Amino acid sequence: GDSVTQMEGPVTLSEEAFLTINCTYTATGYPSLFWYVQYPGEGLQLLLKATKADDKGSNKGFEATYRKETTSFHLEKGSVQVSDSAVYFCALLSGNTPLVFGKGTRLSVIA
Amino acid sequence: DAEITQSPRHKITETGRQVTLACHQTWNHNNMFWYRQDLGHGLRLIHYSYGVQDTNKGEVSDGYSVSRSNTEDLPLTLESAASSQTSVYFCASSDRVGYGYTFGSGTRLTVV
Repeated sequence: GDSVTQMEGPVTLSEEAFLTINCTYTATGYPSLFWYVQYPGEGLQLLLKATKADDKGSNKGFEATYRKETTSFHLEKGSVQVSDSAVYFCALLSGNTPLVFGKGTRLSVIA
Repeated sequence: DAEITQSPRHKITETGRQVTLACHQTWNHNNMFWYRQDLGHGLRLIHYSYGVQDTNKGEVSDGYSVSRSNTEDLPLTLESAASSQTSVYFCASSDRVGYGYTFGSGTRLTVV
């Protein structure tokens, strides 16, 4: 079945450091790909998405490019802030099946 | 503003009791979903519905049930609560199949 694999955390960075969180997927067909963010004590919020190969999703300084050849959707940000501390989930939608999530990556940014 | 509301936010119950978690959305979305979040497992799908009277089992549906009698609500029932069902439960909705989801704030359930 469809699956998402993302890097294990936690990831700890200093403020203004570069962030990469790796995400790869396995799916039949042509899935849509998503990154969700969960701040402490809250539900998940959609951060960005891409619906076809080579699409780049972006929001709040975060970016991810849908790479069909490597089945990847890595999340990047050039300069993280303390306020970016959260858990990040990579997810995919394929056909009529519901969202499939990775296990999440906890990011801590220290001043 | 449209929203998706879960209640209660926190609940403690005893093993063997029946528990119902509420999910109410005012987006008028056809699709609704229940996930549980556990450390080391991410979010796992329990049940979902693509419209009134439609329900489907997810990856971890044993011990849970749902019913969809209107567009706005998808209550999740634990028939006989077990300690393994201690978790944080999230409800979500979406407008159309293939679109991103809107999530509620979650219910933290502890079974003692």
